[in-house]
Amino acid sequence: AAGVIQSPRHLIKEKRETATLKCYPIPRHDTVYWYQQGPGQDPQFLISFYEKMQSDKGSIPDRFSAQQFSDYHSELNMSSLELGDSALYFCASSLALSGRPGELFFGEGSRLTVL
Amino acid sequence: AQTVTQSQPEMSVQEAETVTLSCTYDTSESDYYLFWYKQPPSRQMILVIRQEAYKQQNATENRFSVNFQKAAKSFSLKISDSQLGDAAMYFCAYSSGNTGKLIFGQGTTLQVKP
Repeated sequence: AAGVIQSPRHLIKEKRETATLKCYPIPRHDTVYWYQQGPGQDPQFLISFYEKMQSDKGSIPDRFSAQQFSDYHSELNMSSLELGDSALYFCASSLALSGRPGELFFGEGSRLTVL
Repeated sequence: AQTVTQSQPEMSVQEAETVTLSCTYDTSESDYYLFWYKQPPSRQMILVIRQEAYKQQNATENRFSVNFQKAAKSFSLKISDSQLGDAAMYFCAYSSGNTGKLIFGQGTTLQVKP
């Protein structure tokens, strides 16, 4: 079965640079979520989209932005990168009317290292 | 604000034995869902089991079961007949209503000894 695809899997950037992460949800899933997991930490919710509209927002820095496109894939854009942005970024998807609320399917994550 | 607490940073269990991972949460909401996610070294978060707060019956998925004590706000995970492949970080998570905005606990690293 198709899973959530994230790219790139690994990314190394310098401070103050910009990074873009991509997420391709499971086919027919209409909701995408982004989470950030720092080293040794639990995942923190950043932002979510339902049917290409932002549906919820968490602890996402103003330097970050995200959107969901017409094909339902999503991109997380991070600018003016800081050392503290080094983390594993997870994308997850779900189907709003699946009958199983809150059940998310996660991608394998994109590891961002800021030097 | 809702919080999730896992007080066991690490646990170990012998292969084929049973282990219980603890989780407590705090909320004033009545409509919520609780989850256990597994994160093996490959890093991908995998849903293990899910519990609706309005259901009194404890969820069960094969060797995995929960003990959901709503009044005590406790949600423990029992793994029976532990297998080497169960070794991973386990996160307890909470979501309000039908959102996918999960609030995770700190995680418990489970070691399975052969």
